[in-house]
Amino acid sequence: DSGVTQTPKHLITATGQRVTLRCSPRSGDLSVYWYQQSLDQGLQFLIQYYNGEERAKGNILERFSAQQFPDLHSELNLSSLELGDSALYFCASSVDAGGPGNEQYFGPGTRLTVT
Amino acid sequence: AQKVTQAQTEISVVEKEDVTLDCVYETRDTTYYLFWYKQPPSGELVFLIRRNSFDEQNEISGRYSWNFQKSTSSFNFTITASQVVDSAVYFCALNSQGGSEKLVFGKGTKLTVNP
Repeated sequence: DSGVTQTPKHLITATGQRVTLRCSPRSGDLSVYWYQQSLDQGLQFLIQYYNGEERAKGNILERFSAQQFPDLHSELNLSSLELGDSALYFCASSVDAGGPGNEQYFGPGTRLTVT
Repeated sequence: AQKVTQAQTEISVVEKEDVTLDCVYETRDTTYYLFWYKQPPSGELVFLIRRNSFDEQNEISGRYSWNFQKSTSSFNFTITASQVVDSAVYFCALNSQGGSEKLVFGKGTKLTVNP
Protein backbone atom coordinates (compact mmCIF):
# COMPACT_ATOMS: atom_id res chain seq x y z
CA ASP A 1 0.00 0.00 0.00
CA SER A 2 1.61 3.23 -1.22
CA GLY A 3 -0.45 5.52 1.00
CA VAL A 4 -1.98 7.28 -2.01
CA THR A 5 -5.73 6.83 -2.30
CA GLN A 6 -7.89 7.27 -5.36
CA THR A 7 -11.64 7.22 -5.71
CA PRO A 8 -13.60 5.81 -7.31
CA LYS A 9 -11.91 2.56 -8.28
CA HIS A 10 -14.13 2.09 -11.30
CA LEU A 11 -16.28 4.49 -13.25
CA ILE A 12 -18.57 3.78 -16.17
CA THR A 13 -20.17 6.67 -17.95
CA ALA A 14 -21.51 7.69 -21.34
CA THR A 15 -20.00 9.83 -24.05
CA GLY A 16 -20.48 13.53 -23.54
CA GLN A 17 -20.61 13.26 -19.77
CA ARG A 18 -18.33 14.80 -17.16
CA VAL A 19 -16.60 12.97 -14.31
CA THR A 20 -14.34 13.86 -11.41
CA LEU A 21 -11.55 11.64 -10.16
CA ARG A 22 -10.20 12.21 -6.70
CA CYS A 23 -6.76 11.63 -5.23
CA SER A 24 -5.38 11.97 -1.72
CA PRO A 25 -1.58 12.03 -1.56
CA ARG A 26 0.56 10.36 1.07
CA SER A 27 0.71 12.22 4.33
CA GLY A 28 3.32 14.96 4.02
CA ASP A 29 3.61 14.85 0.24
CA LEU A 30 3.11 18.22 -1.45
CA SER A 31 3.23 17.19 -5.10
CA VAL A 32 0.50 15.38 -6.96
CA TYR A 33 0.86 14.01 -10.48
CA TRP A 34 -1.78 12.63 -12.82
CA TYR A 35 -1.01 9.98 -15.43
CA GLN A 36 -3.20 8.28 -18.01
CA GLN A 37 -2.63 4.68 -19.06
CA SER A 38 -4.32 3.62 -22.27
CA LEU A 39 -3.70 0.73 -24.62
CA ASP A 40 -2.57 2.87 -27.53
CA GLN A 41 -0.69 5.66 -25.73
CA GLY A 42 0.77 3.75 -22.80
CA LEU A 43 1.50 5.62 -19.57
CA GLN A 44 1.48 9.37 -20.14
CA PHE A 45 1.99 12.28 -17.80
CA LEU A 46 -0.94 14.67 -17.70
CA ILE A 47 -0.30 17.34 -15.08
CA GLN A 48 1.48 18.09 -11.80
CA TYR A 49 0.50 20.26 -8.86
CA TYR A 50 2.75 21.35 -6.07
CA ASN A 51 1.29 22.81 -2.90
CA GLY A 52 -1.81 24.00 -4.71
CA GLU A 53 -0.13 25.45 -7.77
CA GLU A 54 0.14 23.95 -11.22
CA ARG A 55 3.78 23.09 -11.81
CA ALA A 56 4.02 21.10 -15.02
CA LYS A 57 1.74 20.15 -17.85
CA GLY A 58 2.01 17.20 -20.16
CA ASN A 59 -0.29 15.76 -22.77
CA ILE A 60 -3.47 16.94 -21.11
CA LEU A 61 -6.45 17.67 -23.33
CA GLU A 62 -8.28 20.99 -23.03
CA ARG A 63 -11.38 19.02 -21.99
CA PHE A 64 -9.48 17.90 -18.91
CA SER A 65 -8.61 20.06 -15.93
CA ALA A 66 -7.24 19.51 -12.47
CA GLN A 67 -6.77 21.31 -9.21
CA GLN A 68 -5.16 20.76 -5.85
CA PHE A 69 -6.98 21.94 -2.77
CA PRO A 70 -5.59 23.46 0.46
CA ASP A 71 -5.72 20.05 2.15
CA LEU A 72 -3.52 18.83 -0.77
CA HIS A 73 -6.01 16.40 -2.24
CA SER A 74 -6.43 16.72 -5.97
CA GLU A 75 -9.23 16.28 -8.46
CA LEU A 76 -9.02 15.56 -12.15
CA ASN A 77 -12.06 16.68 -14.11
CA LEU A 78 -12.79 15.09 -17.46
CA SER A 79 -15.55 16.61 -19.57
CA SER A 80 -17.24 15.97 -22.91
CA LEU A 81 -16.04 12.42 -22.61
CA GLU A 82 -15.20 10.41 -25.70
CA LEU A 83 -14.73 6.68 -26.16
CA GLY A 84 -10.99 7.26 -26.45
CA ASP A 85 -10.85 8.65 -22.92
CA SER A 86 -11.41 5.16 -21.55
CA ALA A 87 -8.24 4.43 -19.61
CA LEU A 88 -6.69 3.82 -16.22
CA TYR A 89 -5.96 7.12 -14.51
CA PHE A 90 -3.23 7.12 -11.91
CA CYS A 91 -2.42 9.68 -9.29
CA ALA A 92 1.05 9.79 -7.77
CA SER A 93 2.54 11.90 -5.03
CA SER A 94 6.02 12.89 -3.94
CA VAL A 95 7.47 14.81 -1.05
CA ASP A 96 8.32 17.99 -2.88
CA ALA A 97 9.09 19.51 -6.25
CA GLY A 98 12.79 19.83 -5.71
CA GLY A 99 13.85 18.52 -9.10
CA PRO A 100 14.17 15.19 -10.86
CA GLY A 101 14.57 12.00 -8.94
CA ASN A 102 11.72 12.41 -6.50
CA GLU A 103 10.29 9.01 -5.86
CA GLN A 104 6.68 9.05 -6.94
CA TYR A 105 4.25 6.82 -5.09
CA PHE A 106 1.32 5.70 -7.19
CA GLY A 107 -2.26 5.17 -6.15
CA PRO A 108 -4.28 2.13 -7.23
CA GLY A 109 -5.80 3.99 -10.17
CA THR A 110 -9.30 4.75 -11.37
CA ARG A 111 -10.48 2.73 -14.32
CA LEU A 112 -12.72 4.88 -16.51
CA THR A 113 -14.91 3.26 -19.12
CA VAL A 114 -16.76 5.51 -21.54
CA THR A 115 -19.60 3.79 -23.41
CA ALA B 1 13.46 15.32 -25.57
CA GLN B 2 13.34 12.32 -23.32
CA LYS B 3 12.44 8.86 -24.52
CA VAL B 4 12.40 5.36 -23.10
CA THR B 5 12.36 2.28 -25.30
CA GLN B 6 11.47 -1.19 -24.10
CA ALA B 7 11.86 -3.25 -27.22
CA GLN B 8 10.50 -6.46 -25.70
CA THR B 9 6.73 -6.31 -25.74
CA GLU B 10 6.16 -9.74 -24.20
CA ILE B 11 8.41 -12.37 -22.68
CA SER B 12 7.38 -15.82 -21.56
CA VAL B 13 9.61 -18.03 -19.41
CA VAL B 14 9.32 -21.13 -17.31
CA GLU B 15 9.67 -20.86 -13.56
CA LYS B 16 13.27 -20.79 -12.27
CA GLU B 17 14.62 -19.38 -15.52
CA ASP B 18 16.55 -16.12 -15.42
CA VAL B 19 15.10 -13.29 -17.50
CA THR B 20 16.42 -9.88 -18.51
CA LEU B 21 14.20 -6.96 -19.40
CA ASP B 22 15.83 -4.35 -21.61
CA CYS B 23 15.51 -0.58 -21.30
CA VAL B 24 17.17 2.03 -23.49
CA TYR B 25 16.75 5.71 -22.76
CA GLU B 26 17.42 9.02 -24.49
CA THR B 27 18.04 12.37 -22.85
CA ARG B 28 20.32 15.33 -23.42
CA ASP B 29 20.48 16.13 -19.73
CA THR B 30 23.49 15.17 -17.67
CA THR B 31 21.44 14.78 -14.50
CA TYR B 32 18.67 12.24 -14.75
CA TYR B 33 17.07 9.38 -12.89
CA LEU B 34 15.95 5.99 -14.06
CA PHE B 35 13.22 3.91 -12.50
CA TRP B 36 11.64 0.50 -12.79
CA TYR B 37 8.02 -0.09 -11.85
CA LYS B 38 6.06 -3.33 -11.71
CA GLN B 39 2.37 -3.50 -12.62
CA PRO B 40 0.87 -6.83 -11.52
CA PRO B 41 -2.48 -8.01 -12.88
CA SER B 42 -4.24 -6.14 -10.08
CA GLY B 43 -3.22 -2.91 -11.81
CA GLU B 44 -1.30 -0.85 -9.28
CA LEU B 45 2.17 0.49 -10.05
CA VAL B 46 4.82 -0.71 -7.64
CA PHE B 47 8.13 1.11 -7.37
CA LEU B 48 11.15 -1.19 -7.68
CA ILE B 49 14.26 0.96 -8.01
CA ARG B 50 15.61 4.45 -8.70
CA ARG B 51 19.10 5.11 -10.04
CA ASN B 52 20.72 8.49 -10.74
CA SER B 53 22.95 9.24 -13.70
CA PHE B 54 26.06 9.63 -11.55
CA ASP B 55 25.87 6.20 -10.00
CA GLU B 56 26.73 3.43 -12.43
CA GLN B 57 27.12 0.73 -9.82
CA ASN B 58 24.98 -2.26 -10.46
CA GLU B 59 22.45 -3.09 -7.80
CA ILE B 60 21.16 -6.37 -6.47
CA SER B 61 18.10 -6.83 -4.31
CA GLY B 62 17.29 -10.45 -3.66
CA ARG B 63 16.46 -12.06 -6.99
CA TYR B 64 16.39 -8.68 -8.74
CA SER B 65 19.42 -6.97 -10.23
CA TRP B 66 19.92 -3.90 -12.38
CA ASN B 67 22.68 -3.15 -14.87
CA PHE B 68 23.14 0.55 -15.64
CA GLN B 69 25.45 1.38 -18.54
CA LYS B 70 25.72 5.02 -19.58
CA SER B 71 27.88 4.11 -22.57
CA THR B 72 24.94 2.31 -24.16
CA SER B 73 22.18 4.35 -22.45
CA SER B 74 20.73 1.19 -20.99
CA PHE B 75 19.25 0.23 -17.66
CA ASN B 76 18.44 -3.44 -17.82
CA PHE B 77 16.60 -5.46 -15.21
CA THR B 78 17.29 -9.12 -14.48
CA ILE B 79 15.15 -11.47 -12.46
CA THR B 80 17.01 -14.55 -11.31
CA ALA B 81 15.18 -17.82 -10.74
CA SER B 82 11.86 -16.35 -11.83
CA GLN B 83 8.65 -17.23 -10.02
CA VAL B 84 5.03 -17.20 -11.08
CA VAL B 85 4.45 -14.18 -8.83
CA ASP B 86 6.87 -12.21 -11.00
CA SER B 87 4.30 -12.25 -13.80
CA ALA B 88 3.48 -8.61 -14.46
CA VAL B 89 4.09 -5.72 -16.79
CA TYR B 90 7.36 -3.99 -16.05
CA PHE B 91 7.94 -0.35 -16.91
CA CYS B 92 11.18 1.52 -17.20
CA ALA B 93 10.91 5.28 -16.68
CA LEU B 94 13.10 8.37 -16.99
CA ASN B 95 13.01 11.63 -15.10
CA SER B 96 15.54 14.25 -16.13
CA GLN B 97 16.59 17.75 -15.22
CA GLY B 98 15.05 19.34 -18.26
CA GLY B 99 11.78 17.49 -17.97
CA SER B 100 10.43 18.81 -14.69
CA GLU B 101 9.48 16.04 -12.32
CA LYS B 102 7.37 14.08 -14.74
CA LEU B 103 8.17 10.46 -15.45
CA VAL B 104 8.55 9.39 -19.06
CA PHE B 105 7.62 5.73 -19.32
CA GLY B 106 8.50 3.05 -21.80
CA LYS B 107 5.70 0.99 -23.31
CA GLY B 108 6.31 -1.81 -20.83
CA THR B 109 7.30 -5.46 -21.09
CA LYS B 110 4.75 -8.08 -20.17
CA LEU B 111 6.45 -10.95 -18.38
CA THR B 112 4.68 -14.25 -18.01
CA VAL B 113 6.27 -16.87 -15.81
CA ASN B 114 4.77 -20.30 -16.36
CA PRO B 115 4.87 -23.04 -13.73
